[in-house]
Amino acid sequence: EPEVTQTPSHQVTQMGQEVILRCVPISNHLYFYWYRQILGQKVEFLVSFYNNEISEKSEIFDDQFSVERPDGSNFTLKIRSTKLEDSAMYFCASSEAGGRIGYGYTFGSGTRLTVV
Amino acid sequence: AQTVTQSQPEMSVQEAETVTLSCTYDTSESDYYLFWYKQPPSRQMILVIRQEAYKQQNATENRFSVNFQKAAKSFSLKISDSQLGDAAMYFCAYSLTQGGSEKLVFGKGTKLTVNP
Repeated sequence: EPEVTQTPSHQVTQMGQEVILRCVPISNHLYFYWYRQILGQKVEFLVSFYNNEISEKSEIFDDQFSVERPDGSNFTLKIRSTKLEDSAMYFCASSEAGGRIGYGYTFGSGTRLTVV
Repeated sequence: AQTVTQSQPEMSVQEAETVTLSCTYDTSESDYYLFWYKQPPSRQMILVIRQEAYKQQNATENRFSVNFQKAAKSFSLKISDSQLGDAAMYFCAYSLTQGGSEKLVFGKGTKLTVNP
């Protein structure tokens, strides 16, 4: 069964450093997403991406965040200057189509980011 | 704004028994999708079941079924013949479409414990 692959599984970074989280979506999927889950809390939408541009972003997704699909297979989330409160599990997801198709997503297994 | 409420932070069930997890949501849309996701200790997000709002028939997937009450905006998950492997966090989610992408809005989750 096709999978969404996220690397690394766990990343520790110092406050103020830049970090890039990587994702390889399912190859025929067109929509890509990042979600965040702070430990013990609910999963929150960050951003959606389609046709090489951001479709929607949440209030969390401020100027410190950016996304990119650099080579047609990878989908990355960059945090420019990490803060302690950025420590969370970050999930990448992809879907075959947007709109009211409702297939839901395929989620990756997540990257646990720890900012120290 | 769309919201999803899970009023039970924790639930427990005896192995082989049945348990029902509650979820309510708020929306002004008439056509949407609802999901239950399972998150085991590995923290991966696994789709359990999906319900299209335009379908009156409740979705069923093996031991998992939903009770979808559209007028009441209620979407509960019933797990029959509970197994130890069902122990996990369960998140209810609502699918919201904006600008073509499909954003999921999650509840805060219910932690399910299965007792042997």
